[in-house]
Amino acid sequence: GAGVSQSPSNKVTEKGKDVELRCDPISGHTALYWYRQSLGQGLEFLIYFQGNSAPDKSGLPSDRFSAERTGGSVSTLTIQRTQQEDSAVYLCASTTLDSRDGYTFGSGTRLTVV
Amino acid sequence: TQLLEQSPQFLSIQEGENLTVYCNSSSVFSSLQWYRQEPGEGPVLLVTVVTGGEVKKLKRLTFQFGDARKDSSLHITAAQPGDTGLYLCAGTSGTYKYIFGTGTRLKVLA
Repeated sequence: GAGVSQSPSNKVTEKGKDVELRCDPISGHTALYWYRQSLGQGLEFLIYFQGNSAPDKSGLPSDRFSAERTGGSVSTLTIQRTQQEDSAVYLCASTTLDSRDGYTFGSGTRLTVV
Repeated sequence: TQLLEQSPQFLSIQEGENLTVYCNSSSVFSSLQWYRQEPGEGPVLLVTVVTGGEVKKLKRLTFQFGDARKDSSLHITAAQPGDTGLYLCAGTSGTYKYIFGTGTRLKVLA
């Protein structure tokens, strides 16, 4: 596609429920990132995928968070047993191998846990 | 742990004024980027700087990378309401992972 597509754009869920957030990167971009942005804050790195290499999961805040990337394209970020502190905007970005070209971000999924 | 501190955190100015936003770290970066983010959207890349002392201009925006590659600044001349947004710097020490700064929220009043 022309840009990075994320869905849903907004998600309201009850505390304790599981949620899945989807990211469809730019075709041909081998690298995919998930970041989290809390209200008024900068971006917090969550996870990085590059081709068929093992993902860098060092930013995942707890074992309730997981992500996968199928076929080197679409990625899903799953949060189990959501908590109120998980409320944030979850941003996905993709880039070429040389990230000097900069990340192309999606518009994000705004997650609200009530 | 690499940290990028941005200042000021918030800035509200009148249309036509000049402003400078700073991005500072104790770490050396091989590459530093500036992004602008508008409400409801993801950040959009403005510029990448890679050489110490480098200056890049993008219309009314001037970006400078410090000689020691630990800091950067963004200067906006004659700010316009369309410049309103969250400005983020992001740096890498050479890996695939960029660390993002805390952001400067700019509001330009007409």
